[in-house]
Amino acid sequence: QVQLQQSGPGLVKPSQTLSLTCAISGDSVSSKSVAWNWIRQSPSRGLEWLGRTYYRSKWYNDYAESVTSRITINPDTSKNQFSLQLNSVTPEDTAVYFCARCVFGRQLESFDYWGQGTLVTVSS
Amino acid sequence: DIVMTQSPDSLAVSLGERATINCKSSQSVLYSSNNKNYLGWYQQKPGQPPKLLIYWASTRESGVPDRFSGSGSGTDFTLTITSLQAEDVAVYYCQQYYSTPPAFGQGTKVEIK
Repeated sequence: QVQLQQSGPGLVKPSQTLSLTCAISGDSVSSKSVAWNWIRQSPSRGLEWLGRTYYRSKWYNDYAESVTSRITINPDTSKNQFSLQLNSVTPEDTAVYFCARCVFGRQLESFDYWGQGTLVTVSS
Repeated sequence: DIVMTQSPDSLAVSLGERATINCKSSQSVLYSSNNKNYLGWYQQKPGQPPKLLIYWASTRESGVPDRFSGSGSGTDFTLTITSLQAEDVAVYYCQQYYSTPPAFGQGTKVEIK
């Protein structure tokens, strides 16, 4: 059974960096058949995919256009986890952030396992 | 990018009655080489992450009650809950995974009448 456990601060000041971590159990961040994603949810934007990381003999990342200049998703193989960094945050980045797994063989599939969610508020 | 649009935004259904939620994609999510629709349905209850109910438009995830069913192809899809139960009160989302970025509908809130 795959489990994703999120951690990170719930309050970030404007212009600073949002950092969250998603610890994986029951699977490997280096698995060649899945991708590891970050998704956020807010009343104004709904459920919004932010990006993913996946391993296919080397590491790849894909990011949403709306955040591509500010986002980094990194795997940490030593701890079997992956992280989200979102720079230069504004109050519009206030949302519940989720990590999620999707099977990714020849093509992407649906999000089958999710973290518990972290409410991140951007405020001074 | 593919845009997903659900209807209605909310609906109230009596216990034991049928609930029907529609989802339309701005372009086809049917992959011709394998004849699969890259469309999933999720259920989200307050304070919880979305839970995958249905994938490939009509395949129930393990453990999902058979009162939940998905249908449709191409650009038009439906989630049906036959005989609504109290525990089905939630927001339901469709999601396409045909292309990047994966995209969700705006959600449909299901309540008890």
